[in-house]
Amino acid sequence: EAGVTQFPSHSVIEKGQTVTLRCDPISGHDNLYWYRRVMGKEIKFLLHFVKESKQDESGMPNNRFLAERTGGTYSTLKVQPAELEDSGVYFCASSPLRGTMGNTEAFFGQGTRLTVV
Amino acid sequence: GENVEQHPSTLSVQEGDSAVIKCTYSDSASNYFPWYKQELGKRPQLIIDIRSNVGEKKDQRIAVTLNKTAKHFSLHITETQPEDSAVYFCASSPHSGNTPLVFGKGTRLSVIA
Repeated sequence: EAGVTQFPSHSVIEKGQTVTLRCDPISGHDNLYWYRRVMGKEIKFLLHFVKESKQDESGMPNNRFLAERTGGTYSTLKVQPAELEDSGVYFCASSPLRGTMGNTEAFFGQGTRLTVV
Repeated sequence: GENVEQHPSTLSVQEGDSAVIKCTYSDSASNYFPWYKQELGKRPQLIIDIRSNVGEKKDQRIAVTLNKTAKHFSLHITETQPEDSAVYFCASSPHSGNTPLVFGKGTRLSVIA
């Protein structure tokens, strides 16, 4: 079974440009999460999809970030326009949907390292 | 909201020694505590998790302990090996089924052969 895959693995862009990150979750996983790790800091939550719906976007830094998950399959995270402080590693994770059974393992992708210069 | 503190940020041990990483959390509603290991250039992977209805869980050389009263949990690695070298993240999440994880800042463990 394929794991969570993310594209691209690395991206270097200039300040003011646009970048789109993609995440393909494990097939059948309705939960999809975006996280970001700035160097030396915690892995910080950005956004949670359940199928195609945004369940929680409280972690999105500002309106320069736009996430979509059309059809409830893969997701994209667009940063427009990118700023220097957006640099970091963006992780995507997915997990099966659980009701009241409690959290289960979240499977992570390898991340996209974004560098804004 | 939940806040997770993790210590130490770096840890070096001799091969064969034990390593302990500690985390505290702030939200008493948190009931799920996973630990992730991230090797260089690879994805974070779950190595062990614990729920609030137990105080300790072991899996071979790895164990996690949880003290709900004090709101802290710890990862214990015994008989460390060079392949244990990685960044370890603790996390917590309320027991509502699908909520996002709140992570600590990570601990870089180096096992010296």
